[in-house]
Amino acid sequence: DGGITQSPKYLFRKEGQNVTLSCEQNLNHDAMYWYRQDPGQGLRLIYYSQIVNDFQKGDIAEGYSVSREKKESFPLTVTSAQKNPTAFYLCASSLPSYNEQFFGPGTRLTVL
Amino acid sequence: DAKTTQPPSMDCAEGRAANLPCNHSTISGNEYVYWYRQIHSQGPQYIIHGLKNNETNEMASLIITEDRKSSTLILPHATLRDTAVYYCIVRVAHGNAGNMLTFGGGTRLMVKP
Repeated sequence: DGGITQSPKYLFRKEGQNVTLSCEQNLNHDAMYWYRQDPGQGLRLIYYSQIVNDFQKGDIAEGYSVSREKKESFPLTVTSAQKNPTAFYLCASSLPSYNEQFFGPGTRLTVL
Repeated sequence: DAKTTQPPSMDCAEGRAANLPCNHSTISGNEYVYWYRQIHSQGPQYIIHGLKNNETNEMASLIITEDRKSSTLILPHATLRDTAVYYCIVRVAHGNAGNMLTFGGGTRLMVKP
């Protein structure tokens, strides 16, 4: 089955620790995205990548880092510099010239 | 990208049509109207998009006014599984700056038995 997967579904970390969220897609999409969602709010863009080995900051990139070494994978690291990391994180992918984005199931990160 | 305005919440009786409005009065000529929905604690799901003509697919219909300043998403026979937050987004469909979608607060649709 083609799709986009995120793991784990729930993640708990202690304050001050870096944590990496996984995102993998087998849709052969060039573009991938990371969004953050807080309770009762819409999605906000953290980072996006249009092609392997290239990525751009979104609206709220501070305290986050990404890499895009493979087309299928776009991991997001939440660093200790992110002041309020507890949130629901969503990964998406799309073809570069078609705006329909396919979303993963999300990872709910709780920092204790 | 043009901003959109949606009511924060709506109710609909199961089996009836759900009509979700969206205002986008500053939409540009090359911007499309997209609809996504998000069921609780899941990733958003694409529903439909259109430029100026009305569109229909297996999930919904999209009615865009002639001046393109507003649109309505229609779920013809709402079921309990259609309870979700519905996002209306306007965006250029083909651009070099990435295909970022700007999600506002959306409309929380509650389908009731």
